Amino acid sequence: IQLTQSPSSLSASVGDRVTITCRASQGISSYLAWYQQKPGKAPKLLIYAASTLQSGVPSRFSGSGSGTDFTLTISSLQPEDFATYYCQQLNGYPYTFGQGTKLEIK
Amino acid sequence: EVQLVESGGGLVQPGGSLRLSCTASGFTFSVSSMNWVRQAPGEGLECVSYISSTSSSIHYADSVKGRFTISRDNAKNSLYLQMNNLRAEDTAVYYCAGGDFWSGYYPWGQGTLVTVSS
Repeated sequence: IQLTQSPSSLSASVGDRVTITCRASQGISSYLAWYQQKPGKAPKLLIYAASTLQSGVPSRFSGSGSGTDFTLTISSLQPEDFATYYCQQLNGYPYTFGQGTKLEIK
Repeated sequence: EVQLVESGGGLVQPGGSLRLSCTASGFTFSVSSMNWVRQAPGEGLECVSYISSTSSSIHYADSVKGRFTISRDNAKNSLYLQMNNLRAEDTAVYYCAGGDFWSGYYPWGQGTLVTVSS
């Protein structure tokens, strides 16, 4: 199953509302997770089961979607949110990741 | 504190072997499915292998099937990845991560770098 994220890169300002899209090549129900990765660090789980917020993750992050189309929304960007974001499908191994969306400061 | 710590990475020649280890603490390792994920320099993430809590279910990416072997020792809270016949394209940071299809991958280790080069 292939995942396509859009956009591949994004420039935004602190306080902006940002949406990242992940499209699956076939239906994956709600078996989708979102991760944040900063340079030199391991990925951090933000959202699982498409819309469930991982414990300890700020509520400005939210996820939605099912089937083939999913979104990650950051309601009000904070300085620490500038990073690369990946979606991952978990509907049958091999689980695959999207190519990533790099979120940069405008 | 929930923690995963990888070890065993390094420089190896093409065709060589390496064994990665991952030691868990702060959570119940014996009931957790575990995974290896890799990231080539400047590239995205790739799921390499999965093992269920009892080792009854094991999966591999096609790119490593027949060359890599995942295993675990629940008594030692440890996960392993035996990598044989290594290729240049196996060069990556290798992460161990807990989790399964219903929960996403958490926690993650800090990663260990494997470099395959002559």
